[in-house]
Amino acid sequence: TQLLEQSPQFLSIQEGENLTVYCNSSSVFSSLQWYRQEPGEGPVLLVTVVTGGEVKKLKRLTFQFGDARKDSSLHITAAQTGDTGLYLCAEQSTNDYKLSFGAGTTVTVRA
Amino acid sequence: GAVVSQHPSWVICKSGTSVKIECRSLDFQATTMFWYRQFPKQSLMLMATSNEGSKATYEQGVEKDKFLINHASLTLSTLTVTSAHPEDSSFYICSAERNTEAFFGQGTRLTVV
Repeated sequence: TQLLEQSPQFLSIQEGENLTVYCNSSSVFSSLQWYRQEPGEGPVLLVTVVTGGEVKKLKRLTFQFGDARKDSSLHITAAQTGDTGLYLCAEQSTNDYKLSFGAGTTVTVRA
Repeated sequence: GAVVSQHPSWVICKSGTSVKIECRSLDFQATTMFWYRQFPKQSLMLMATSNEGSKATYEQGVEKDKFLINHASLTLSTLTVTSAHPEDSSFYICSAERNTEAFFGQGTRLTVV
């Protein structure tokens, strides 16, 4: 099981600002998933990236997968208070489907 | 998307008692479910893999006699925290796999007093 490092750990921004969250590993990811979790709820899958250099967009969210498949980023444009939550990256094992999560980034968007 | 339901959403119990948490896949069958534990402001830590019709497999450091898992049907897995103590207080979350995608329950907040 490889270690997924997320940064920053906490992020507090004003509504309308942009933010970026990073997920890195010393090993190559088979694929990488990003989740968002609200307080008192389970995580919800946002996106899965598989191919090196891949870029996926989900409304104001842009996900990038590094060319070497060792890093990924989540960029939110013009953040809204509804974007507040814990953002988690995770790698899913290809043989037993276990998920290994990063430590998470707590994002707070202030009105 | 698929729906996974946990019950109860929160529970408060006295130290020394046991608590059962249910995880149900409402619209699909799941031969495999996973149980996680999450402390405040922290990430999810996998506790065990629940396998329908067979014994659960536990992650290193997780006491199988403390956290009993039963996956008796294709839509239900239960986690029983036995002889609970205050240090067992946490947020417990289950997930079920459908077509290689994980769907999470809403979690159960356990507080042991």
